[in-house]
Formats: sequence, structure tokens, C-alpha cells
Amino acid sequence: ETGVTQTPRHLVMGMTNKKSLKCEQHLGHNAMYWYKQSAKKPLELMFVYSLEERVENNSVPSRFSPECPNSSHLFLHLHTLQPEDSALYLCASSQDSQGHSPLHFGNGTRLTVT
Amino acid sequence: QKEVEQNSGPLSVPEGAIASLNCTYSDRGSQSFFWYRQYSGKSPELIMSIYSNGDKEDGRFTAQLNKASQYVSLLIRDSQPSDSATYLCAVTTGANSKLTFGKGITLSVRP
Repeated sequence: ETGVTQTPRHLVMGMTNKKSLKCEQHLGHNAMYWYKQSAKKPLELMFVYSLEERVENNSVPSRFSPECPNSSHLFLHLHTLQPEDSALYLCASSQDSQGHSPLHFGNGTRLTVT
Repeated sequence: QKEVEQNSGPLSVPEGAIASLNCTYSDRGSQSFFWYRQYSGKSPELIMSIYSNGDKEDGRFTAQLNKASQYVSLLIRDSQPSDSATYLCAVTTGANSKLTFGKGITLSVRP
């Protein structure tokens, strides 16, 4: 039990599909993140939310659309993805977004785009 | 220059040995440093955090930080096969204190 729950664990989607990834944290943290992890590459920060407000968007293509309705929930809406978007998508939370407190990761969603 | 660099791996050590994992970073103003362990097919989990120069010990793990030389290392004493995993170094960088990860190094502990 990591305290950060992601669903689904695995997702296969075609390039014309629309799907959403869900993340929920039970740790009382104020910041939530989306990271992308591809083989042989460092973890890439996609989005940061602090108290439901987006504080960072790392030049992510618009086919990825985040949503943070409250401090415990985070979504990543996906549409018209490309095969190179296939990766492990990790949600994380931390006490604050200032970089001093460690991240707690969810188990990730393994996404395959066909 | 990459912001956070880790030794190219993989690293293989015999059971019972000390494994030494190194990480260098480019932002002299970095304040927070973390080591994460990631088993194959799993998500990263925090092993150690360190914020000031010197050593910090937790069980078989010791993190060492040297801000003047801009490196942070992780020592694993009495390595066990269960320590076999990828270890990620993460450092807060930049004016907005973004957490930047290294590529990770894969450790294999031989029984």
C-alpha cells in the first residue's frame, strides 16, 4: 500500500481513442505530479499541481490534458496519442511543491499506444 | 552538461560486499537530495533523503553529500540479492526547485 493509488494499471489504446488515467492520494499532501518513464531515459516531469493549481507544465503536448479537481485527486486525459507516448506514467504526491519533501509514487499505469 | 548524472551501469557486486552508487549534479544551489529504489516493473520508493553535507546512515544504507564537489552517493553495506534494483538519484534544481532525476543505475547483487 503506497498511499498513492493509480488506475488502471495497464492500458492499451489506439491513436484515435480517448482515455483517462486516475490518481488518488491518501497522505494529506498538497502537491501532486505526473511523470513519464520511458526505457533508458530519466523520469520526465510532465505536470505539477499545488493545492489544485497547476504550477508547472513542462512543455507537454496538448494531447495530454491534466485535471486536478481537489488536492487528493489527479487525472491525465489522453487523446490522439502517438506510439512514442507508450511508457509508464507515474503519479506522485508530496507535502509541498518546493522540492524539499520527498515524492511518494503510485504503482503507475503502463500505457501502450497501438 | 546533464543536470543530474549517474554512473553508467550496470553494477554487479557479490553478496555481502559494499555497493557504492554515485551521482553528480550541475546546479550549485541545489538543496535537497534523494535516493530512490525501483524494482523491475514497480514504482520508485524513497530510500534516503539528505540535505546537509556529510553522511547520513539508515540501517545498511549511508548517503554522503559533498556540496563543494557537487556529488551525492549511496553506500549499501552487506549487500543482499534483494537489493538488486535500479537506484535513482534525484536533486532539486533551478529557481523553482524542480526535482530532477538521473537515469538510474542498475545494481545486481550476486548470491
